[in-house]
Amino acid sequence: DTAVSQTPKYLVTQMGNDKSIKCEQNLGHDTMYWYKQDSKKFLKIMFSYNNKELIINETVPNRFSPKSPDKAHLNLHINSLELGDSAVYFCASSLSFPGLGDYNEQFFGPGTRLTVL
Amino acid sequence: DQQVKQNSPSLSVQEGRISILNCDYTNSMFDYFLWYKKYPAEGPTFLISISSIKDKNEDGRFTVFLNKSAKHLSLHIVPSQPGDSAVYFCAASEGNDMRFGAGTRLTVKP
Repeated sequence: DTAVSQTPKYLVTQMGNDKSIKCEQNLGHDTMYWYKQDSKKFLKIMFSYNNKELIINETVPNRFSPKSPDKAHLNLHINSLELGDSAVYFCASSLSFPGLGDYNEQFFGPGTRLTVL
Repeated sequence: DQQVKQNSPSLSVQEGRISILNCDYTNSMFDYFLWYKKYPAEGPTFLISISSIKDKNEDGRFTVFLNKSAKHLSLHIVPSQPGDSAVYFCAASEGNDMRFGAGTRLTVKP
């Protein structure tokens, strides 16, 4: 009955490969996010989707492409992986679009540790 | 740009005492503030939040204080328990933009 799940938990791959990380939430939330935790442990938002529509797209290389087939899923595709892409990626969801009252609480997945060799 | 800062990377407290975790921010447009708790190998878990129109919010052993003039946020845990040992992230949001601090590792000693 995991609320926000990510697969895989660990991903080790070679430079130049294309990989995907999947995220699913069973909370009935409308909004989903992808965050990258950098080497200094900062969580930086990458993308946010609300009802399958992209609403936040931070300055992220276009090698990263989110895909939301439905409200419960937000997958992250990464093309031509680079060494600097190595990090922990967190998926999260929230009940509604932030700013609508006290519904900014986000529920996070366990993270996916990506290592690019 | 580090709009949310947690200047103490670690904090050690005796069981039963108060734990105070601090957070500073630079963007005066932030209107909602949150604290998350993170155990190793798990994602951050929402703990407590406060709107910018309030200066205090309490939930059991956890109280968050907001000082808008100082752009300062703090989390008080009283009494601290060994199970509280984790990394605590402060977060601030402005509309659909949320920024996180780097976290403070709290260790509560029995």
